[in-house]
Amino acid sequence: DTGVSQDPRHKITKRGQNVTFRCDPISEHNRLYWYRQTLGQGPEFLTYFQNEAQLEKSRLLSDRFSAERPKGSFSTLEIQRTEQGDSAMYLCASSSRTGADTEAFFGQGTRLTVV
Amino acid sequence: DAKTTQPPSMDCAEGRAANLPCNHSTISGNEYVYWYRQIHSQGPQYIIHGLKNNETNEMASLIITEDRKSSTLILPHATLRDTAVYYCIVTVGGTASKLTFGTGTRLQVTL
Repeated sequence: DTGVSQDPRHKITKRGQNVTFRCDPISEHNRLYWYRQTLGQGPEFLTYFQNEAQLEKSRLLSDRFSAERPKGSFSTLEIQRTEQGDSAMYLCASSSRTGADTEAFFGQGTRLTVV
Repeated sequence: DAKTTQPPSMDCAEGRAANLPCNHSTISGNEYVYWYRQIHSQGPQYIIHGLKNNETNEMASLIITEDRKSSTLILPHATLRDTAVYYCIVTVGGTASKLTFGTGTRLQVTL
């Protein structure tokens, strides 16, 4: 499968714990995005990378959230000291800067439940 | 990015055309109209996009009014697998970056 891959698919954690999610974009896509989606709402943009550079961060991304994309390949999203309000689906997407770059390809997401 | 307005839900009989409207009355000249859909428990999937001309691909057709203040996504022969939430998004520059999703239209295709 050459699509966007996210791991894990589901994560249950206790409040106050740290969690880390991984996203493997489509090979050679140099743009990578993270979104968060809560029940009944559309996805909300969190941050995006072009290669290894984090170019934009949403105001939604509190200082407990950090994202990295070392070497411009896979990316990780870490949430420190999780809160119940962090329960959501975390979606990763990638796109290619070359060519038309008109389509974002999304993974199936990581569903986080904070108890 | 311009805001969009969509009906919260629609029904369509299988085999019939599904016409999903979107209002984007504040769209500016360099903003494109994009459509994505999200099937339950999956990530969003790109459908189609356009600037001012009507567009068609293997999935759907996009009709944009002449004043560009509204558009309609047409699924010509809806099937049960088209049941999903459909998002109309307006974004600058016709690229995939930083999409602003609303709450979309939940399309239910029935037998």
